[in-house]
Amino acid sequence: DGGITQSPKYLFRKEGQNVTLSCEQNLNHDAMYWYRQDPGQGLRLIYYSQIVNDFQKGDIAEGYSVSREKKESFPLTVTSAQKNPTAFYLCASSIIGGTEYGYTFGSGTRLTVV
Amino acid sequence: GEDVEQSLFLSVREGDSSVINCTYTDSSSTYLYWYKQEPGAGLQLLTYIFSNMDMKQDQRLTVLLNKKDKHLSLRIADTQTGDSAIYFCAERGHTGRRALTFGSGTRLQVQP
Repeated sequence: DGGITQSPKYLFRKEGQNVTLSCEQNLNHDAMYWYRQDPGQGLRLIYYSQIVNDFQKGDIAEGYSVSREKKESFPLTVTSAQKNPTAFYLCASSIIGGTEYGYTFGSGTRLTVV
Repeated sequence: GEDVEQSLFLSVREGDSSVINCTYTDSSSTYLYWYKQEPGAGLQLLTYIFSNMDMKQDQRLTVLLNKKDKHLSLRIADTQTGDSAIYFCAERGHTGRRALTFGSGTRLQVQP
């Protein structure tokens, strides 16, 4: 079955560490996205990519980095520069352009700073 | 800029209808979506409406779009306890950035 997989489901980070969240899709979608979810604030866009080797900053890109070396993969690194990284992170993918299919979401990674 | 707003909480009794409202600012929106999120999970697409439509019905779900007022609503008929979740509206503008803008989500609580 086609889908989008995020790992790990739970991640704990010490202060000052970088961590990388994985996102893989086998839907043959060109576009991929990272959103951050905090209680009561909905989803905020971190980065998105519409083609391999290219990506754009979203609304809250500071303290995060991404790469898009393969169509299937869009990992997100939360760097030590991100001052408040504890949140639920959601990855999504879609075909290019607006369609009735919207986005397909992964099941999320909950990151906690300890 | 693009902004999407929703009320945060709605409580209904099982069997009643639920109406979740959303307002948006981008007049160039092409598609508008409703997503459902259960605890600790990702978002699941429930339904969508294209911007040239006023209404769309899909089983228990009815979406109404008022383009003049930039107002979108989701009606769930015969609400069940399994409908308890957070509901997000999202819009995709025609110009500008090529990513969905989401509202803050409405938590629907269904009382038995």
